[in-house]
Amino acid sequence: RKEVEQDPGPFNVPEGATVAFNCTYSNSASQSFFWYRQDCRKEPKLLMSVYSSGNEDGRFTAQLNRASQYISLLIRDSKLSDSATYLCVVSPRSGANNLFFGTGTRLTVIP
Amino acid sequence: IAGITQAPTSQILAAGRRMTLRCTQDMRHNAMYWYRQDLGLGLRLIHYSNTAGTTGKGEVPDGYSVSRANTDDFPLTLASAVPSQTSVYFCASSAQGWGEQFFGPGTRLTVL
Repeated sequence: RKEVEQDPGPFNVPEGATVAFNCTYSNSASQSFFWYRQDCRKEPKLLMSVYSSGNEDGRFTAQLNRASQYISLLIRDSKLSDSATYLCVVSPRSGANNLFFGTGTRLTVIP
Repeated sequence: IAGITQAPTSQILAAGRRMTLRCTQDMRHNAMYWYRQDLGLGLRLIHYSNTAGTTGKGEVPDGYSVSRANTDDFPLTLASAVPSQTSVYFCASSAQGWGEQFFGPGTRLTVL
């Protein structure tokens, strides 16, 4: 089983729509969670960290459900500039030295 | 330099040749990483280094070697390139081993 699994999409949504992505992780001891954004042929960049209490940054909201081992990302009022691939990332803090990346969910916002 | 730089940007290489991908960071981060990204497989860790002088193997280390002589530099060497090593290679760094990672712009490598 993969460490992190995501629906690859693509998600094609109109401008102004609300879209949500989920991802599941296999290691129940995982401690840190992130969403990264990757534009075509570019490097991944941190979008936001995901805290147990959930967190919001403008139009973006991230949630963590430890019981079901999934994290989610909600994007409200989608903009054309939100078109990208969103990577779900998990880190097992206990002695681990790396992040586990999902394969990404591709979002295209349509005018 | 601001952040992480990688060189070369892209390279076409004959199979069997030796190649070193360079990575330099100026953020004084302790940890550095090398990933490869292939379509449908996502980012996979090749090697990492928690601090200068130490290195470790990631998920897909075979055919690659690294060194960490100082804090800033973390070169990745392919001793004898094979076509399956065709990929996009990203170097990354982080202040600590499990926090946010900052990525370089990547090296697009084609082995023929």
